[in-house]
Amino acid sequence: DAEITQSPRHKITETGRQVTLACHQTWNHNNMFWYRQDLGHGLRLIHYSYGVHDTNKGEVSDGYSVSRSNTEDLPLTLESAASSQTSVYFCASNGGFSYNEQFFGPGTRLTVL
Amino acid sequence: GDSVTQMEGPVTLSEEAFLTINCTYTATGYPSLFWYVQYPGEGLQLLLKATKADDKGSNKGFEATYRKETTSFHLEKGSVQVSDSAVYFCALNHKGNQGGKLIFGQGTELSVKP
Repeated sequence: DAEITQSPRHKITETGRQVTLACHQTWNHNNMFWYRQDLGHGLRLIHYSYGVHDTNKGEVSDGYSVSRSNTEDLPLTLESAASSQTSVYFCASNGGFSYNEQFFGPGTRLTVL
Repeated sequence: GDSVTQMEGPVTLSEEAFLTINCTYTATGYPSLFWYVQYPGEGLQLLLKATKADDKGSNKGFEATYRKETTSFHLEKGSVQVSDSAVYFCALNHKGNQGGKLIFGQGTELSVKP
Protein backbone atom coordinates (compact mmCIF):
# COMPACT_ATOMS: atom_id res chain seq x y z
CA ASP A 1 0.00 0.00 0.00
CA ALA A 2 1.10 3.54 -0.73
CA GLU A 3 2.11 5.56 2.28
CA ILE A 4 3.92 8.61 3.58
CA THR A 5 6.58 8.15 6.25
CA GLN A 6 8.62 10.50 8.39
CA SER A 7 11.86 9.96 10.26
CA PRO A 8 12.91 10.23 12.94
CA ARG A 9 9.67 10.15 14.94
CA HIS A 10 11.33 11.88 17.88
CA LYS A 11 14.43 14.05 17.93
CA ILE A 12 16.20 16.01 20.64
CA THR A 13 18.89 18.44 19.57
CA GLU A 14 20.77 21.46 20.85
CA THR A 15 20.49 25.09 19.90
CA GLY A 16 22.60 25.95 16.87
CA ARG A 17 22.82 22.45 15.41
CA GLN A 18 21.68 21.61 11.91
CA VAL A 19 18.81 19.12 11.82
CA THR A 20 17.20 17.35 8.86
CA LEU A 21 13.79 15.72 9.02
CA ALA A 22 12.98 13.17 6.35
CA CYS A 23 9.71 12.72 4.48
CA HIS A 24 9.14 9.93 1.96
CA GLN A 25 5.95 9.17 0.04
CA THR A 26 5.10 6.30 -2.27
CA TRP A 27 1.89 7.81 -3.68
CA ASN A 28 3.84 9.26 -6.63
CA HIS A 29 2.31 12.64 -5.76
CA ASN A 30 3.76 15.75 -7.34
CA ASN A 31 2.91 17.99 -4.38
CA MET A 32 4.48 17.80 -0.94
CA PHE A 33 4.09 20.03 2.10
CA TRP A 34 5.71 20.62 5.48
CA TYR A 35 3.69 21.94 8.44
CA ARG A 36 4.43 22.62 12.05
CA GLN A 37 1.83 22.13 14.74
CA ASP A 38 1.85 24.22 17.90
CA LEU A 39 -0.79 24.68 20.60
CA GLY A 40 -3.08 27.56 19.75
CA HIS A 41 -1.81 27.86 16.17
CA GLY A 42 -3.16 24.79 14.45
CA LEU A 43 -1.04 23.76 11.47
CA ARG A 44 1.14 26.34 9.78
CA LEU A 45 2.74 25.81 6.39
CA ILE A 46 6.54 25.96 6.31
CA HIS A 47 7.50 25.02 2.74
CA TYR A 48 5.93 23.20 -0.15
CA SER A 49 6.85 21.76 -3.52
CA TYR A 50 4.84 21.19 -6.68
CA GLY A 51 7.40 18.93 -8.31
CA VAL A 52 11.05 17.99 -8.69
CA HIS A 53 13.35 21.01 -8.25
CA ASP A 54 10.38 23.22 -7.26
CA THR A 55 10.23 24.72 -3.74
CA ASN A 56 8.12 27.51 -2.26
CA LYS A 57 7.99 29.35 1.05
CA GLY A 58 5.00 29.05 3.31
CA GLU A 59 3.88 31.38 6.07
CA VAL A 60 6.59 30.38 8.60
CA SER A 61 9.63 29.57 6.45
CA ASP A 62 12.34 31.55 8.28
CA GLY A 63 15.05 29.23 9.59
CA TYR A 64 13.95 26.29 7.41
CA SER A 65 14.88 25.03 3.95
CA VAL A 66 13.81 22.19 1.67
CA SER A 67 15.05 20.61 -1.53
CA ARG A 68 13.28 18.31 -3.96
CA SER A 69 15.62 16.10 -5.98
CA ASN A 70 13.08 13.36 -6.72
CA THR A 71 9.33 12.80 -6.54
CA GLU A 72 9.34 10.71 -3.36
CA ASP A 73 11.31 12.84 -0.89
CA LEU A 74 11.12 16.33 0.60
CA PRO A 75 13.61 16.68 3.47
CA LEU A 76 13.20 19.64 5.81
CA THR A 77 16.41 21.23 7.17
CA LEU A 78 16.72 23.51 10.17
CA GLU A 79 19.94 25.35 9.42
CA SER A 80 20.64 26.39 13.01
CA ALA A 81 18.05 25.03 15.40
CA ALA A 82 16.41 27.43 17.85
CA SER A 83 14.23 26.73 20.88
CA SER A 84 11.32 28.40 19.06
CA GLN A 85 11.46 25.54 16.56
CA THR A 86 10.48 22.97 19.19
CA SER A 87 7.30 21.61 17.67
CA VAL A 88 5.63 18.67 15.98
CA TYR A 89 6.34 18.57 12.25
CA PHE A 90 4.03 16.97 9.69
CA CYS A 91 4.71 16.16 6.09
CA ALA A 92 1.83 15.78 3.61
CA SER A 93 1.34 15.11 -0.08
CA ASN A 94 -1.42 15.22 -2.65
CA GLY A 95 -2.06 14.66 -6.31
CA GLY A 96 -2.64 18.27 -7.30
CA PHE A 97 -6.36 18.88 -7.71
CA SER A 98 -7.84 21.24 -5.15
CA TYR A 99 -10.56 18.81 -4.19
CA ASN A 100 -8.06 16.06 -3.50
CA GLU A 101 -7.25 15.36 0.09
CA GLN A 102 -3.76 15.70 1.47
CA PHE A 103 -2.25 12.56 2.97
CA PHE A 104 -0.31 13.15 6.16
CA GLY A 105 2.65 11.41 7.71
CA PRO A 106 2.70 10.41 11.39
CA GLY A 107 4.74 13.42 12.48
CA THR A 108 8.15 14.14 14.02
CA ARG A 109 8.35 15.57 17.51
CA LEU A 110 11.40 17.85 17.66
CA THR A 111 12.78 19.29 20.88
CA VAL A 112 15.49 21.94 20.74
CA LEU A 113 17.29 22.41 24.06
CA GLY B 1 -6.22 36.76 2.83
CA ASP B 2 -8.01 33.48 3.22
CA SER B 3 -8.64 32.22 6.73
CA VAL B 4 -10.54 29.63 8.74
CA THR B 5 -11.94 30.16 12.23
CA GLN B 6 -13.07 27.34 14.50
CA MET B 7 -14.75 27.38 17.88
CA GLU B 8 -12.28 27.14 20.71
CA GLY B 9 -11.88 23.96 22.65
CA PRO B 10 -11.61 21.82 24.50
CA VAL B 11 -15.14 20.53 24.06
CA THR B 12 -16.16 17.93 26.63
CA LEU B 13 -19.25 15.80 26.06
CA SER B 14 -20.81 12.69 27.52
CA GLU B 15 -21.17 9.61 25.34
CA GLU B 16 -24.24 9.74 23.03
CA ALA B 17 -24.45 13.54 23.23
CA PHE B 18 -24.94 15.69 20.11
CA LEU B 19 -21.84 17.37 18.73
CA THR B 20 -21.45 20.63 16.84
CA ILE B 21 -18.08 22.19 16.07
CA ASN B 22 -18.43 25.53 14.35
CA CYS B 23 -16.26 26.52 11.40
CA THR B 24 -16.44 29.72 9.38
CA TYR B 25 -14.18 30.84 6.58
CA THR B 26 -13.08 33.91 4.69
CA ALA B 27 -12.12 33.39 1.07
CA THR B 28 -12.72 34.77 -2.38
CA GLY B 29 -14.60 32.66 -4.86
CA TYR B 30 -15.65 29.11 -4.14
CA PRO B 31 -13.14 27.15 -2.07
CA SER B 32 -13.32 23.45 -1.30
CA LEU B 33 -13.86 22.71 2.39
CA PHE B 34 -12.53 19.87 4.51
CA TRP B 35 -12.68 18.43 8.01
CA TYR B 36 -9.61 16.54 9.19
CA VAL B 37 -9.32 14.51 12.40
CA GLN B 38 -6.18 13.87 14.44
CA TYR B 39 -6.25 11.03 16.95
CA PRO B 40 -3.72 11.12 19.80
CA GLY B 41 -0.17 10.55 18.61
CA GLU B 42 -1.12 10.35 14.94
CA GLY B 43 -1.10 12.49 11.83
CA LEU B 44 -4.17 14.11 10.33
CA GLN B 45 -6.61 12.14 8.23
CA LEU B 46 -9.46 13.36 6.09
CA LEU B 47 -12.86 13.00 7.75
CA LEU B 48 -15.09 14.56 5.08
CA LYS B 49 -15.13 17.21 2.38
CA ALA B 50 -17.42 19.36 0.22
CA THR B 51 -16.44 21.00 -3.04
CA LYS B 52 -19.36 23.31 -3.82
CA ALA B 53 -22.14 25.24 -2.13
CA ASP B 54 -24.91 23.16 -0.52
CA ASP B 55 -22.84 19.96 -0.75
CA LYS B 56 -23.02 17.77 2.33
CA GLY B 57 -19.97 15.75 3.29
CA SER B 58 -20.47 12.74 5.55
CA ASN B 59 -18.40 9.94 7.05
CA LYS B 60 -18.48 7.78 10.19
CA GLY B 61 -21.71 9.47 11.36
CA PHE B 62 -20.23 12.98 10.99
CA GLU B 63 -21.79 15.51 8.63
CA ALA B 64 -21.05 19.03 7.44
CA THR B 65 -22.87 21.20 4.90
CA TYR B 66 -21.16 23.83 2.77
CA ARG B 67 -23.16 27.04 3.41
CA LYS B 68 -21.97 29.81 1.15
CA GLU B 69 -24.50 32.36 2.44
CA THR B 70 -23.08 32.09 5.96
CA THR B 71 -19.53 31.05 4.88
CA SER B 72 -19.75 28.12 7.26
CA PHE B 73 -18.98 24.40 7.36
CA HIS B 74 -20.06 23.25 10.81
CA LEU B 75 -19.29 19.66 11.85
CA GLU B 76 -22.09 17.65 13.48
CA LYS B 77 -22.64 14.18 14.87
CA GLY B 78 -25.84 12.94 16.43
CA SER B 79 -24.34 10.64 19.05
CA VAL B 80 -20.65 10.78 19.93
CA GLN B 81 -18.60 7.90 21.25
CA VAL B 82 -15.51 7.79 23.44
CA SER B 83 -13.55 6.77 20.32
CA ASP B 84 -14.40 10.16 18.73
CA SER B 85 -12.08 11.90 21.19
CA ALA B 86 -9.59 13.70 18.96
CA VAL B 87 -8.63 17.10 17.57
CA TYR B 88 -10.74 18.27 14.61
CA PHE B 89 -9.44 20.71 11.99
CA CYS B 90 -11.45 22.65 9.45
CA ALA B 91 -9.58 23.60 6.27
CA LEU B 92 -10.08 25.15 2.85
CA ASN B 93 -8.40 25.54 -0.49
CA HIS B 94 -9.26 27.05 -3.84
CA LYS B 95 -10.19 25.20 -6.96
CA GLY B 96 -7.89 27.52 -8.83
CA ASN B 97 -5.05 26.89 -6.39
CA GLN B 98 -2.49 24.64 -7.98
CA GLY B 99 -1.47 21.82 -5.75
CA GLY B 100 -4.26 22.06 -3.23
CA LYS B 101 -2.45 24.10 -0.60
CA LEU B 102 -4.62 23.99 2.52
CA ILE B 103 -5.41 26.69 5.05
CA PHE B 104 -6.29 25.26 8.47
CA GLY B 105 -8.24 26.50 11.42
CA GLN B 106 -6.61 26.27 14.83
CA GLY B 107 -8.22 22.94 15.69
CA THR B 108 -10.84 21.98 18.27
CA GLU B 109 -10.11 19.29 20.83
CA LEU B 110 -13.02 16.99 21.61
CA SER B 111 -13.09 14.82 24.73
CA VAL B 112 -15.93 12.31 25.12
CA LYS B 113 -16.51 10.83 28.58
CA PRO B 114 -18.21 7.46 29.17
